[in-house]
Amino acid sequence: QKEVEQNSGPLSVPEGAIASLNCTYSDRVSQSFFWYRQYSGKSPELIMSIYSNGDKEDGRFTAQLNKASQYVSLLIRDSQPSDSATYLCAVKRNNRLAFGKGNQVVVIP
Amino acid sequence: EPEVTQTPSHQVTQMGQEVILRCVPISNHLYFYWYRQILGQKVEFLVSFYNNEISEKSEIFDDQFSVERPDGSNFTLKIRSTKLEDSAMYFCASSEEGYNEQFFGPGTRLTVL
Repeated sequence: QKEVEQNSGPLSVPEGAIASLNCTYSDRVSQSFFWYRQYSGKSPELIMSIYSNGDKEDGRFTAQLNKASQYVSLLIRDSQPSDSATYLCAVKRNNRLAFGKGNQVVVIP
Repeated sequence: EPEVTQTPSHQVTQMGQEVILRCVPISNHLYFYWYRQILGQKVEFLVSFYNNEISEKSEIFDDQFSVERPDGSNFTLKIRSTKLEDSAMYFCASSEEGYNEQFFGPGTRLTVL
């Protein structure tokens, strides 16, 4: 079982719609979870962190965490063309971040 | 806004040569990291560094690799005897003590010929 899994293929959403991304993780003791955005050829940029079960909202982004199900999600509301990127789910274990492969999001104007 | 910086942005080297990748972490951060991303693959952890010593390393970080904080601002990754498969983007990251968020630099693209 992979440490962090992001299984969905590329996601195309119309401008203004909601993009929904999912991530599962294998290590039950993990306590810190992150979403990074990565534009092509660029470095990961932190957009959300979440540590407790439930929802956390920051602007147009909402992260959701369910530790019992070992599941983290990210919602992007009112998607903009500038949101077109790969979104990386990351789980912290000890000092390291374990990343998923990422979900590519394409926002269609 | 403070940010992590890395030099060079692109390094081309011949197989078997040694390279040093440089990073300047955010000034009040005490934890430093190196990650790499082979083209088309996921970001992989290499090493974490705190209080002038390695705090954790991955199975990738073998004797070919070493890290150093030579002065109060720089953090370096040395790769000895580079191989073709070392070609990747290398990212430096840093975090504050007591905080979990890691902030990444722009990366160094290493090409081994």
